[in-house]
Amino acid sequence: GNSVTQMEGPVTLSEEAFLTINCTYTATGYPSLFWYVQYPGEGLQLLLKATKADDKGSNKGFEATYRKETTSFHLEKGSVQVSDSAVYFCALIGNTGFQKLVFGTGTRLLVSP
Amino acid sequence: DAGVIQSPRHEVTEMGQEVTLRCKPISGHNSLFWYRQTMMRGLELLIYFNNNVPIDDSGMPEDRFSAKMPNASFSTLKIQPSEPRDSAVYFCASRAGLYMNTEAFFGQGTRLTVV
Repeated sequence: GNSVTQMEGPVTLSEEAFLTINCTYTATGYPSLFWYVQYPGEGLQLLLKATKADDKGSNKGFEATYRKETTSFHLEKGSVQVSDSAVYFCALIGNTGFQKLVFGTGTRLLVSP
Repeated sequence: DAGVIQSPRHEVTEMGQEVTLRCKPISGHNSLFWYRQTMMRGLELLIYFNNNVPIDDSGMPEDRFSAKMPNASFSTLKIQPSEPRDSAVYFCASRAGLYMNTEAFFGQGTRLTVV
């Protein structure tokens, strides 16, 4: 079945540092890929998405590129802020038949001033 | 639209009691998902519906858990009897179309504590 693997956390950075959170996937066909963010005490919110190979999703300074050759969708941000501290989830949904959204285990990001 | 609405936001109950969690999906969305989140197990998909019909309930932990979707605008997740290990945050999510590559929208969650 489809699956998503994320890097273990927590990731601890200083403000204005560069962020990378790795995500790789296993899926048949051509899934759509998503990054969700969860702030403390809240539900998950969509951060960005990409629906086909080589697409780049971007939002709020975050970017991720759909790499089919390496089955990856790594999240990056050039300069993180304290307010980016949250848990980030990589997810996918397949494009054949009835499909459920499959999540990775989440990566906690802690940004200090 | 107000988004996915869950109630209650917090629930504290005694072991053995029945608990009912409620969800109102976004209008026009025809897929609905129930997730459970804990520190130990992360985010787990319990069950999902398409057009009010359960598609996959293989994530429901045991017979104490049941979910219904009587119409397109309402779903419930019931635990009877509840146990302390059911303590978790339960999320409902909805999306437009099970076949389309659209994102799911999450509610704020219900934090359940069983004592």
